[in-house]
Amino acid sequence: DAKTTQPPSMDCAEGRAANLPCNHSTISGNEYVYWYRQIHSQGPQYIIHGLKNNETNEMASLIITEDRKSSTLILPHATLRDTAVYYCIVTDGNEKLTFGTGTRLTIIP
Amino acid sequence: NAGVTQTPKFRILKIGQSMTLQCAQDMNHNYMYWYRQDPGMGLKLIYYSVGAGITDKGEVPNGYNVSRSTTEDFPLRLELAAPSQTSVYFCASRSDMWGPKVFGPGTRLTVL
Repeated sequence: DAKTTQPPSMDCAEGRAANLPCNHSTISGNEYVYWYRQIHSQGPQYIIHGLKNNETNEMASLIITEDRKSSTLILPHATLRDTAVYYCIVTDGNEKLTFGTGTRLTIIP
Repeated sequence: NAGVTQTPKFRILKIGQSMTLQCAQDMNHNYMYWYRQDPGMGLKLIYYSVGAGITDKGEVPNGYNVSRSTTEDFPLRLELAAPSQTSVYFCASRSDMWGPKVFGPGTRLTVL
């Protein structure tokens, strides 16, 4: 499984788009990019995943660069409830990979 | 659907005691996982299972055991509890190797 690099923390103003980057320069062709978030001490929550094409669902959009070496999770209109730790995971499905420390996103009122 | 349920929510153990953390899912998922999360850290995989009767080690299996006799249940056994096992334990499941993981609410364990 490819390793990922995320900034440790970010702030975003409420109502603005939150753009969370993830670097996965060693990703291989059969590995997907997954995003999860963890609000306070709750269990992680799935957000979105993709292979090469950009993806959108009711929660967020995932933009994957053409070379697949990085991606960006976009929360289009951040609310205070989006304050959480966001994890970017790259896996071929057979992961024994841990979740890293992720990005702590704070939404500022 | 209840999703993934974990019991107990909290537990305090003395050093050397044993206990079983329970995990159950009602989504007919084949894949199940146990993670631990230490304060300020990410989740580390302890054990996982790809179906009833099949289990495999993750990154940090020492001090733990699992079994998977049914699709629904995936208990985690701690033998001879140590302070280093103080952590929050999360169980997760997924339908197949590509599906999103559904996590339980966690069990907060303290070993004194």
